[in-house]
Amino acid sequence: QKEVEQDPGPLSVPEGAIVSLNCTYSNSAFQYFMWYRQYSRKGPELLMYTYSSGNKEDGRFTAQVDKSSKYISLFIRDSQPSDSATYLCAMRKVTGRRALTFGSGTRLQVQP
Amino acid sequence: SAVISQKPSRDICQRGTSLTIQCQVDSQVTMMFWYRQQPGQSLTLIATANQGSEATYESGFVIDKFPISRPNLTFSTLTVSNMSPEDSSIYLCSVETDSTYEQYFGPGTRLTVT
Repeated sequence: QKEVEQDPGPLSVPEGAIVSLNCTYSNSAFQYFMWYRQYSRKGPELLMYTYSSGNKEDGRFTAQVDKSSKYISLFIRDSQPSDSATYLCAMRKVTGRRALTFGSGTRLQVQP
Repeated sequence: SAVISQKPSRDICQRGTSLTIQCQVDSQVTMMFWYRQQPGQSLTLIATANQGSEATYESGFVIDKFPISRPNLTFSTLTVSNMSPEDSSIYLCSVETDSTYEQYFGPGTRLTVT
């Protein structure tokens, strides 16, 4: 079983829709949670960075962490065709290994 | 944040040769990482490179195949040695900022081995 599970999609939505992207994880030691956006042939771009449980909002993006359920989400409001990309969740512990453990990525397509 | 550049952006290499990938960051950072991303796949950590110490390799990756240098706080290199077609992949450099612990990625080096 992978430490981080993420539905690979593809997820296709119409422009303006609310998008929900999710990851589950098994290691309760994970405390830092990130979401990256990766366009084709580009490096991952950091979108959201949260510590422990709770919500964080940045423009059209909201990240949620539910540590009791080991479940994290990224919501995109008013989705745009430019949001079409692969979204990767990532996480790491507070101590020890500093590198990130990634989900497999969800490919999102926003149809105009 | 951190701005990271990688050279080369892409290369086509022959089997048995070696390629050195450079990673330059615009600020001093302690932690640097090298990842590999196969087409359509997620990221796999190759090694962690801290300035002033030997790189730490993940299971399945060895120093003879992927030697890493970290001469200062803004630069690192990854060499892919004795390449085979199985090494065809995207190689990504990543840094963790010392102040916020956020991790940023370079644009990647797309390697094709023929």
